Amino acid sequence: AQSVTQLGSHVSVSEGALVLLRCNYSSSVPPYLFWYVQYPNQGLQLLLKYTTGATLVKGINGFEAEFKKSETSFHLTKPSAHMSDAAEYFCAVSVIKAAGNKLTFGGGTRVLVKP
Amino acid sequence: ETGVTQSPTHLIKTRGQQVTLRCSSQSGHNTVSWYQQALGQGPQFIFQYYREEENGRGNFPPRFSGLQFPNYSSELNVNALELDDSALYLCASSSRSPGKGTGELFFGEGSRLTVL
Repeated sequence: AQSVTQLGSHVSVSEGALVLLRCNYSSSVPPYLFWYVQYPNQGLQLLLKYTTGATLVKGINGFEAEFKKSETSFHLTKPSAHMSDAAEYFCAVSVIKAAGNKLTFGGGTRVLVKP
Repeated sequence: ETGVTQSPTHLIKTRGQQVTLRCSSQSGHNTVSWYQQALGQGPQFIFQYYREEENGRGNFPPRFSGLQFPNYSSELNVNALELDDSALYLCASSSRSPGKGTGELFFGEGSRLTVL
């Protein structure tokens, strides 16, 4: 079975500071990994994904994540936080099976950006 | 290109009632999945539909059921509502068949259900 752990349910950063959101996963097969963002009262929007190949993945809005197999991690970073980054972020691992593909999500990390 | 749309956006029901939520998948997508997101938690997989049949189910009781129509739209039905069913219900579509692709999903904005 797959699982995802996000360290820290809440993160507070100052505008312009580094954003670092931690994600660790467990998977019995090579994982496909995703970060989604959820703004208040909205659905989930894909930030970036890792499938195969380059382990450093760049996404939208200046975010990037690095897949580290040895550490079973897929941490999300952004060099300089903007007020518009205030949202909840979810890390997810994908299970590809004939009997349905599904995403397993972590519990989420809510980001607060201070001016 | 039309994204995933869900209706209604908000609704209130009482315990024991039944509810139907609707989802139109993104243009060109043939697979629909439903997720439940309780307050303060990550989404939990309910089930997936492909070719009008359930194709994969999470740990949800049988009173959660669904349909997929020939135009790939979908319904989620919940019978005998309980207080714990209060949540945001998210529909997601994808264009790959089960067992293929990367599992990337495109989500709607959700239907928020409150059970009193």
